[in-house]
Amino acid sequence: KAGVTQTPRYLIKTRGQQVTLSCSPISGHRSVSWYQQTPGQGLQFLFEYFSETQRNKGNFPGRFSGRQFSNSRSEMNVSTLELGDSALYLCASSARDRKNTEAFFGQGTRLTVV
Amino acid sequence: DQQVKQNSPSLSVQEGRISILNCDYTNSMFDYFLWYKKYPAEGPTFLISISSIKDKNEDGRFTVFLNKSAKHLSLHIVPSQPGDSAVYFCAAFISSGTYKYIFGTGTRLKVLA
Repeated sequence: KAGVTQTPRYLIKTRGQQVTLSCSPISGHRSVSWYQQTPGQGLQFLFEYFSETQRNKGNFPGRFSGRQFSNSRSEMNVSTLELGDSALYLCASSARDRKNTEAFFGQGTRLTVV
Repeated sequence: DQQVKQNSPSLSVQEGRISILNCDYTNSMFDYFLWYKKYPAEGPTFLISISSIKDKNEDGRFTVFLNKSAKHLSLHIVPSQPGDSAVYFCAAFISSGTYKYIFGTGTRLKVLA
């Protein structure tokens, strides 16, 4: 069974640009969540998608958005990039049922804004 | 408002000894807790979890203890191995609600050979 796949692994963008990150969840998982990891801040929740609907959103500005497709693949978009957006962006997939509550993470996309 | 706290940013332990990583939480609604291990440039890897109806869960060298009255959980690794050197995150969530994990800031474990 393939794991969670995130593309690209690394990105360098300049301030003001926008970026789109992609996540393919584990087959059969319908929940995809996105997290931002920065040094000293741990993993901060961005949003979760389930069955193509955003179910929950973290405390991030509207520049951060996402969507989920019918095959459960998800994309995250960040517009008008700022230097502070440089981080590791992690995607996690879950079966989202009471018996299988663990989320499985991809390797992440390292975004550097210059 | 940090609902999940890992107050020790780092920990060093001799190979073969016990590693104890601690985590405190403030939200009594959390009913599921997990531990993840993370190597540099990789995503977190799930280690072990515990439901709030239990006070202990064991899986091989890893045991998680939950003290609900103290809102405290700990991860014990026995015996510690050099390959265990990584950053460990605890996470909590409300299983009947949203699938939003709240993570601690992590503890960097170094196991000395």
